Amino acid sequence: EPEVTQTPSHQVTQMGQEVILRCVPISNHLYFYWYRQILGQKVEFLVSFYNNEISEKSEIFDDQFSVERPDGSNFTLKIRSTKLEDSAMYFCASSDAGGLSGNTIYFGEGSWLTVV
Amino acid sequence: LAKTTQPISMDSYEGQEVNITCSHNNIATNDYITWYQQFPSQGPRFIIQGYKTKVTNEVASLFIPADRKSSTLSLPRVSLSDTAVYYCLVGDMTFRYNQGGKLIFGQGTELSVKP
Repeated sequence: EPEVTQTPSHQVTQMGQEVILRCVPISNHLYFYWYRQILGQKVEFLVSFYNNEISEKSEIFDDQFSVERPDGSNFTLKIRSTKLEDSAMYFCASSDAGGLSGNTIYFGEGSWLTVV
Repeated sequence: LAKTTQPISMDSYEGQEVNITCSHNNIATNDYITWYQQFPSQGPRFIIQGYKTKVTNEVASLFIPADRKSSTLSLPRVSLSDTAVYYCLVGDMTFRYNQGGKLIFGQGTELSVKP
């Protein structure tokens, strides 16, 4: 079964450092997403991305965050200057676009980011 | 986006059928109902998705009444490994404006399966 893969599975970084989380979406998918989940809290939407541009973003996704699809397979989330409150599990997701029927979003296993 | 309400927790025993009901009174015409399962420290795993009536796959069944204001996820013969949080989400999954699907997660239902 095709799956979304994420690296690294766990990263510890110092406050103020830049972090890049990487994702390989399912190969024929066209929509890409990042979500995050702070420990013990809900899964929160960050951003959606289609056709090489951001489709929608949440209030959480401020100027410290950016996304990129640098090549045909990877999708990255960059946090420019990490804060303690950025510590969370970050989930990449992707979905197909099979027309006007219900499309499905598939999630990766997550990258656990700890900012110290 | 439609708000969903589901029980915070449920207990069950191995081998039983579990039904988790979700209400979504403000569901919109283009909204689909999707259920995910999440284990601790893992990503949400897609279980099933439907628009109306009944959908069944190898894992679960999803029952949606005609008014679509609620839905019931049915897990047949649960095992200990089904202990997880189950999320009911509604959202426009047609992507007609190239917006993609934005899923708004609630707290989910924490299902505990006991031996």
